[in-house]
Amino acid sequence: NAGVTQTPKFRILKIGQSMTLQCAQDMNHNYMYWYRQDPGMGLKLIYYSVGAGITDKGEVPNGYNVSRSTTEDFPLRLELAAPSQTSVYFCASSYSTSSGELFFGEGSRLTVL
Amino acid sequence: AQSVTQPDIHITVSEGASLELRCNYSYGATPYLFWYVQSPGQGLQLLLKYFSGDTLVQGIKGFEAEFKRSQSSFNLRKPSVHWSDAAEYFCAVGPFGGGYNKLIFGAGTRLAVHP
Repeated sequence: NAGVTQTPKFRILKIGQSMTLQCAQDMNHNYMYWYRQDPGMGLKLIYYSVGAGITDKGEVPNGYNVSRSTTEDFPLRLELAAPSQTSVYFCASSYSTSSGELFFGEGSRLTVL
Repeated sequence: AQSVTQPDIHITVSEGASLELRCNYSYGATPYLFWYVQSPGQGLQLLLKYFSGDTLVQGIKGFEAEFKRSQSSFNLRKPSVHWSDAAEYFCAVGPFGGGYNKLIFGAGTRLAVHP
């Protein structure tokens, strides 16, 4: 039972570098999300997708891009890393109905120096 | 504006003691309410949820929560805490965006358990 798989788990970037956080789910969920978690701030929604080929912005999309070419994969790209993007990133998925239950990956800790 | 407030950032209890974590929300309609738990180094896991009906809901690991509309609250309780309950707990409200399961999370309450 893999569920939601995120890679890498840890990464250190230099300012201005680019990288992609990978997310894959094997539950055939239509909806997928990227959240970032900062101390004392809870989780903030970056981007979400309601199906292959459809994405939309969340609360804090600046500095990020996403794509959804398949149901399973939802990568998050940072084009020009900034220290403000130091955070823990969580990918999540959910069923297509409004159940509200999200299934989370284990997170990716990113540090930008 | 929709929001979730968890007034307690840190709580410490003794093993075997009772626990109540507070959650207040602001939402324009009847909310869906959730409690998630995050163990160290892990993703979030759903503890319980309220959609409608009985305002006292039971969840996993012996947790329960009570929805009080008049107080806009959804407090999480457990009668006897175990050391393994040490974790961070997040209250969430939704959905938003036309039912796309977008949730707003509170800032979290970190629970420490003394032996």
